[in-house]
Amino acid sequence: EAGVAQSPRYKIIEKRQSVAFWCNPISGHATLYWYQQILGQGPKLLIQFQNNGVVDDSQLPKDRFSAERLKGVDSTLKIQPAKLEDSAVYLCASSFEGSSYNEQFFGPGTRLTVL
Amino acid sequence: GQQLNQSPQSMFIQEGEDVSMNCTSSSIFNTWLWYKQDPGEGPVLLIALYKAGELTSNGRLTAQFGITRKDSFLNISASIPSDVGIYFCAGPNQFYFGTGTSLTVIP
Repeated sequence: EAGVAQSPRYKIIEKRQSVAFWCNPISGHATLYWYQQILGQGPKLLIQFQNNGVVDDSQLPKDRFSAERLKGVDSTLKIQPAKLEDSAVYLCASSFEGSSYNEQFFGPGTRLTVL
Repeated sequence: GQQLNQSPQSMFIQEGEDVSMNCTSSSIFNTWLWYKQDPGEGPVLLIALYKAGELTSNGRLTAQFGITRKDSFLNISASIPSDVGIYFCAGPNQFYFGTGTSLTVIP
């Protein structure tokens, strides 16, 4: 079974530039999550999708971050404009459905460096 | 917001030693999860706990759901070099993750 795919693996941009990350979840997984993991910290949930609808985006900085999951499969996370404090690893995860009883599978992440 | 505090923050142990780490929250949880993260990879689920007082094992790993429902413990017995990594606890729906415990195993 193929795992969660993410691209790019690394991205370096200057502040005020825009950046987008892509995630392809495990086939058949209805729930998709984006996390931000700052160096030395645990992952922080940014947004949770159930199919193509948003379940929770309470921790997403909506003034600069946006995410979509068209057709309920792939998802993109965008930052516009980027700030220095956005430097982090952005993890995508998926699960069969959205409860704690369903294991989340994480992708390898995209490491973003904002200069 | 909610914080999950893990201790210790880091551990350096000899191969073969046992390891203990814990996680505490300011709120009562109905689920505790333990993950391991290797460098350059995403976290991988180790153990899930769903009931206060529950003790669950997965090979050399044993985790317990604290009776107060505000804490959880993870033990690793007879550590080996591949146990190296960062261990995170997480609450219900993985909305909150702990601060992490970094484990180094010296051969």
